[in-house]
Amino acid sequence: AQKITQTQPGMFVQEKEAVTLDCTYDTSDQSYGLFWYKQPSSGEMIFLIYQGSYDEQNATEGRYSLNFQKARKSANLVISASQLGDSAMYFCAMRETFYNTDKLIFGTGTRLQVFP
Amino acid sequence: GAVVSQHPSRVICKSGTSVKIECRSLDFQATTMFWYRQFPKQSLMLMATSNEGSKATYEQGVEKDKFLINHASLTLSTLTVTSAHPEDSSFYICSAREGHTGDMGYGYTFGSGTRLTVV
Repeated sequence: AQKITQTQPGMFVQEKEAVTLDCTYDTSDQSYGLFWYKQPSSGEMIFLIYQGSYDEQNATEGRYSLNFQKARKSANLVISASQLGDSAMYFCAMRETFYNTDKLIFGTGTRLQVFP
Repeated sequence: GAVVSQHPSRVICKSGTSVKIECRSLDFQATTMFWYRQFPKQSLMLMATSNEGSKATYEQGVEKDKFLINHASLTLSTLTVTSAHPEDSSFYICSAREGHTGDMGYGYTFGSGTRLTVV
């Protein structure tokens, strides 16, 4: 079963506008963590933001914020004031504890393209 | 911040040869290291998890004898692709984590990836 679902294979946004990238997850754990990573064409994985399941406030990091709706099991990434350099693949990931290891499981990703 | 160095960044090898990829945590002790494989325009698929000093745990469908993982120290893990074939061509990326299972305060640091091409 898909643990992390990103339903938007591609998104377009105009420079300086805000964009929301969707992510839903499935877990029966009470304690879990949700991550967003950016992957430019160079391939490196750039950490953007983290939300713990017990965090009551939505996480924010500069232009990035995470809209965490626990009951709906969604953790959408909001990028405000988009920049051309934001064009990249974006992956949502969940920390899953399996036996004695915490694994990071990724969604299928969303390709964001920012146009002038 | 935490840095993970992965080498080589690109490698081309002949079919039937073996290739070793190194992943080093430079400024922290990596209790656990993870190896991922990524095909073009696809997501990262976890191949295996290795804890320092113990055998790697492979995900279902990953051939243990083909993808040898060694995590001999808290700062170094290696992935060896044995008897490589063109279908093994892919982007391989490692990730390292401090802390132990259940320590929610530690994140994951990724290497810059290795693009393997088998000809």
